[in-house]
Amino acid sequence: DADVTQTPRNRITKTGKRIMLECSQTKGHDRMYWYRQDPGLGLRLIYYSFDVKDINKGEISDGYSVSRQAQAKFSLSLESAIPNQTALYFCATSGRASAPLEQFFGPGTRLTVL
Amino acid sequence: GENVEQHPSTLSVQEGDSAVIKCTYSDSASNYFPWYKQELGKGPQLIIDIRSNVGEKKDQRIAVTLNKTAKHFSLHITETQPEDSAVYFCAATDFNKFYFGSGTKLNVKP
Repeated sequence: DADVTQTPRNRITKTGKRIMLECSQTKGHDRMYWYRQDPGLGLRLIYYSFDVKDINKGEISDGYSVSRQAQAKFSLSLESAIPNQTALYFCATSGRASAPLEQFFGPGTRLTVL
Repeated sequence: GENVEQHPSTLSVQEGDSAVIKCTYSDSASNYFPWYKQELGKGPQLIIDIRSNVGEKKDQRIAVTLNKTAKHFSLHITETQPEDSAVYFCAATDFNKFYFGSGTKLNVKP
């Protein structure tokens, strides 16, 4: 079984719709992250959370919000989707005792906003 | 904030040759530098990392070097194989936020 799962894997939506992307992990890690990947731009950090009560903005948080429902769950919401939010979205976790910074990535969610 | 630049954007080598990918960073507070490999349709996977108190680290055919003074670090892959073909990303972090390079698409020709 995958340690970091993302749902949905693909989503097509229309401008103005509210979208939620979900991430779950079974690794027992405290830290969770949301990134977006665009061609030629690498990965950019949207939000990160070090525990359930700790949420922090990343480089590109405008237009996004997050919720850390439990240690194992971290959701990303687009309140009103716009076409330039079309991208590949990755969730990641870290916090292994012997290597606290090693990040483990989920398989990604491909989001298309029409 | 931190700015990480990565070169080249594409790299094509013959099987058995070496490949080198270079990154520079701007924030002297960055102290951990991981490298990730991303295969088509998958999330990035850590392949090697280095901390700021170390100048070089090797793991079989992969090595990473760090020059803190010049603020640059490099990934070296020796004896390349077709399965090394993928996109490689460097990153820098001060233990909180991670900043990624724009990626290098490596193509290893058989």
